[in-house]
Amino acid sequence: GAVVSQHPSWVICKSGTSVKIECRSLDFQATTMFWYRQFPKQSLMLMATSNEGSKATYEQGVEKDKFLINHASLTLSTLTVTSAHPEDSSFYICSARTDANSPLHFGNGTRLTVT
Amino acid sequence: DAKTTQPTSMDCAEGRAANLPCNHSTISGNEYVYWYRQIHSQGPQYIIHGLKNNETNEMASLIITEDRKSSTLILPHATLRDTAVYFCGATNKLIFGTGTLLAVQP
Repeated sequence: GAVVSQHPSWVICKSGTSVKIECRSLDFQATTMFWYRQFPKQSLMLMATSNEGSKATYEQGVEKDKFLINHASLTLSTLTVTSAHPEDSSFYICSARTDANSPLHFGNGTRLTVT
Repeated sequence: DAKTTQPTSMDCAEGRAANLPCNHSTISGNEYVYWYRQIHSQGPQYIIHGLKNNETNEMASLIITEDRKSSTLILPHATLRDTAVYFCGATNKLIFGTGTLLAVQP
């Protein structure tokens, strides 16, 4: 149980275009989802916290107008990278939990390459 | 959120127990300790969590000191597939540190 599906697993896009990444909890209801990104040989960096039905809370230094997060249901959150540039190329990972003390369950990540 | 400190890397012989320490001296009374691992180019995987008591599941054991300022993750019989970066954290938002790269040697 506790499976999180992330799609797509990889995407290549041209500079200036937008990319949407989906994160789904397949067998549980996720009241909270988190979005991270990871650069090579570095740790995960938390980008934002997303609660179902409310606006996402972004970490300091993360542009909310560039990284649009929608958490419209208890099983789906999306991250849209708008007007992507090569420096946005990274590994993006989502996680989900059912309640405040339950463990996080992670998707397998999306490798974004912006050319 | 409590800060955590872990060694950068550790080696372990295949079949032996791997003991991974984590210091979380600023942890508050209601914060759980969580352990995850990340195998190269994959999303992190939940391993175990605990509050005060030691915990064991099919993957590992978690030993938390009485003062809760540190904990140890124990993989009882490490295999090559356990080679990964292991992260500990308090609360479950997890501001990830750099973790410990565990290299299991044949």
